[in-house]
Amino acid sequence: RKEVEQDPGPFNVPEGATVAFNCTYSNSASQSFFWYRQDCRKEPKLLMSVYSSGNEDGRFTAQLNRASQYISLLIRDSKLSDSATYLCVVNRRGGNKLTFGTGTQLKVEL
Amino acid sequence: GAVVSQHPSRVICKSGTSVKIECRSLDFQATTMFWYRQFPKQSLMLMATSNEGSKATYEQGVEKDKFLINHASLTLSTLTVTSAHPEDSSFYICSADGPDETQYFGPGTRLLVL
Repeated sequence: RKEVEQDPGPFNVPEGATVAFNCTYSNSASQSFFWYRQDCRKEPKLLMSVYSSGNEDGRFTAQLNRASQYISLLIRDSKLSDSATYLCVVNRRGGNKLTFGTGTQLKVEL
Repeated sequence: GAVVSQHPSRVICKSGTSVKIECRSLDFQATTMFWYRQFPKQSLMLMATSNEGSKATYEQGVEKDKFLINHASLTLSTLTVTSAHPEDSSFYICSADGPDETQYFGPGTRLLVL
């Protein structure tokens, strides 16, 4: 089983739609959780950290369920510029090593 | 904000040659840097952790004699792919532990081995 699993997509949505991505992780000792965004042929960029209480940054909302080992990202009012691959990332126990999911591809269309 | 650079951004080389990739933290010091590799349509895979002034620690399955890492200063880590072969062609990305405990990624290096 992969340490971090995501639905690869692609998710094709119209502009203005709300879209949700899910992610599960296998290591219950994982401590920190993140969503990164990766554009084609570019490096990943931090979108937001994910906290147990849930957190929001503009149109983006992240949720963490430690009991289910489940992380989600909700994007509201999606824009064309949101088209990218969204990576679920988990910090391994005992250090700052990050484990990346394979990513979920989002395509926002007119 | 914290900036990490990589050089070169892309390189094409012949099979059997060695290629050196540099990773620099431009406006902060990084005791720890990380090297990742990403094949097409796959996730980033951590290859090794580079520690300033000490030996790098490699992930399982990564050959330390093939992927030489040197972290001689607090702002520079280098990855040398020795005797590169076509299967080493990939997107190599470094990251550095920033001042706010966030990892900052370099722009990546595309390696093509012919």
